[in-house]
Amino acid sequence: NAGVIQTPRHKVTGKGQEATLWCEPISGHSAVFWYRQTIVQGLEFLTYFRNQAPIDDSGMPKERFSAQMPNQSHSTLKIQSTQPQDSAVYLCASSRQGANTGQLYFGEGSKLTVL
Amino acid sequence: GDSVTQTEGQVALSEEDFLTIHCNYSASGYPTLFWYVQYPGEGPQLLFRASRDKEKGSSRGFEATYDKGTTSFHLRKASVQESDSAVYYCALSDGGGSNYKLTFGKGTLLTVTP
Repeated sequence: NAGVIQTPRHKVTGKGQEATLWCEPISGHSAVFWYRQTIVQGLEFLTYFRNQAPIDDSGMPKERFSAQMPNQSHSTLKIQSTQPQDSAVYLCASSRQGANTGQLYFGEGSKLTVL
Repeated sequence: GDSVTQTEGQVALSEEDFLTIHCNYSASGYPTLFWYVQYPGEGPQLLFRASRDKEKGSSRGFEATYDKGTTSFHLRKASVQESDSAVYYCALSDGGGSNYKLTFGKGTLLTVTP
């Protein structure tokens, strides 16, 4: 079985540009999570979907970040007007519905560099 | 809100040394606790979990015991190997209602030299 697929693996943008990151969860998994990873902060929760519906976006910076899950096979994280402090590895994870076991399956991440 | 504190940011050991990484948590409910491990270039992966007081989780020689009294879940291994070099994350899920998100600590970079 394929794992969680994230594209692109690396993205470099100029300050003020838009960046869109893609995630394909594991087939059959109905929960999708986005996390941001930096050396200073570690793994920070951003947002979470279940059955394509947004459940919790408490970690999302409100003004420039948005996430969608238009169908069960992919989710996107969009960052508008990128700033250098947005530079991080963005990790997507999926899990099975009803499995409150905490086993999230992570992708390899998308490394965003904002110059 | 919920939080996880890992005391050590970096740990450097030699092979066959004993490992302890301290993890303390703060949560309003009765959380499930986890250890995740992340190797270079990969996403984090579950090492093991524990959901009840005094429950021991273990995998690959690593173990941790859920201690509700001290709100701790310290990771230990009796004899580390070079292949254990990775970043280790302690995490919790309060599972309240239908929200199963995980809250992670800041991670501990373990470097093991032969």
